[in-house]
Amino acid sequence: AQSVSQHNHHVILSEAASLELGCNYSYGGTVNLFWYVQYPGQHLQLLLKYFSGDPLVKGIKGFEAEFIKSKFSFNLRKPSVQWSDTAEYFCAVNARSGGFKTIFGAGTRLFVKA
Amino acid sequence: DGGITQSPKYLFRKEGQNVTLSCEQNLNHDAMYWYRQDPGQGLRLIYYSQIVNDFQKGDIAEGYSVSREKKESFPLTVTSAQKNPTAFYLCASSVQGASGNTIYFGEGSWLTVV
Repeated sequence: AQSVSQHNHHVILSEAASLELGCNYSYGGTVNLFWYVQYPGQHLQLLLKYFSGDPLVKGIKGFEAEFIKSKFSFNLRKPSVQWSDTAEYFCAVNARSGGFKTIFGAGTRLFVKA
Repeated sequence: DGGITQSPKYLFRKEGQNVTLSCEQNLNHDAMYWYRQDPGQGLRLIYYSQIVNDFQKGDIAEGYSVSREKKESFPLTVTSAQKNPTAFYLCASSVQGASGNTIYFGEGSWLTVV
């Protein structure tokens, strides 16, 4: 069965610090990978996604993620965070083979101190 | 505007009562989903539907029921059999792209059972 593991439940950073949020998945086949963000009081939004091609994908607001197939990982990064990045971040996976079932990780709450 | 509309946004019910959460989308998406979001557990899949008149159980379907009579609509009923129904419920829909399936979310419904 598919599963997604996010390593950190809570992260606290100061503005301008670099960010890396870990995500590992468990699935034997080819996958599509996603990061979603939920800002306080707002609905979940797609941050970026990987379907195929270049394993380094760039998303909105300066975020990027790297797919490392051998490690079953899809870590999210941002070189310099801002206070406005305070949010909860979710990693998700679904099967490439026409699969509609998308599984999410438990989420990581990021708090950026101004 | 195109999007996913959930209603009501806030709902209070007495224990033992069934309650139905509405979800409508005008994105012409084929697939629709219901997730439950609890603190520290991320999003857990309740039910999903790939086409009209068809739906599949997710990971936590017990105590819930759904119907998909129209492409635009995917209501969720929380029955009295659901042992811990108080939660934030998210409806989503997805479009199947060239390589994969991307999910988009509604704003959610808060259900409190007292």
